[in-house]
Amino acid sequence: AQSVTQLDSQVPVFEEAPVELRCNYSSSVSVYLFWYVQYPNQGLQLLLKYLSGSTLVKGINGFEAEFNKSQTSFHLRKPSVHISDTAEYFCAVSAAAAGNKLTFGGGTRVLVKP
Amino acid sequence: GAGVSQSPSNKVTEKGKDVELRCDPISGHTALYWYRQSLGQGLEFLIYFQGNSAPDKSGLPSDRFSAERTGGSVSTLTIQRTQQEDSAVYLCASSPTSAIQETQYFGPGTRLLVL
Repeated sequence: AQSVTQLDSQVPVFEEAPVELRCNYSSSVSVYLFWYVQYPNQGLQLLLKYLSGSTLVKGINGFEAEFNKSQTSFHLRKPSVHISDTAEYFCAVSAAAAGNKLTFGGGTRVLVKP
Repeated sequence: GAGVSQSPSNKVTEKGKDVELRCDPISGHTALYWYRQSLGQGLEFLIYFQGNSAPDKSGLPSDRFSAERTGGSVSTLTIQRTQQEDSAVYLCASSPTSAIQETQYFGPGTRLLVL
């Protein structure tokens, strides 16, 4: 079975500052990794995903994430945040052995302050 | 194009009543998923459909929960004899195929409150 840990439940950050959201996973098989964002009262929207190839993945809205197999991590970064980035961010994995479902981390709530 | 839609957006019910939640996936998407988002448990998988069949029902928390999908499109999640612990946001997602690397596209959810 796989699991996902998001180490920070809340991250306050000032506008135009960088932000990093940490995600670690455990799995005995190869996984695919995803970051989703949930704006208030909305569903989840895909930011980016890692399937294979280059370990640095670029997504929408200026976000990027780096897959590190040895550390089983997939941290999300943005060099300069905007007020509109205030949202909850979820890291998720899927694995062939676990069927087609996504296993999510607990989420990180980002609050961007002016 | 149209995204995943869910209805109702909010539902308040009394303990013991049955509720039905509806999901309309993106047209042409063969795979459909139900998840539950609650304060205590986070985001949990409930059930997955490929076409009209459900190869994975492992996340359904009890036999009070059931789901069906008809015509390879609309899905209904039914909760019988609702309990207060069923209060949560129920999210539906669809993807073009059932390949595990596919992006799942989520609807806005149905917020269920059981009094």
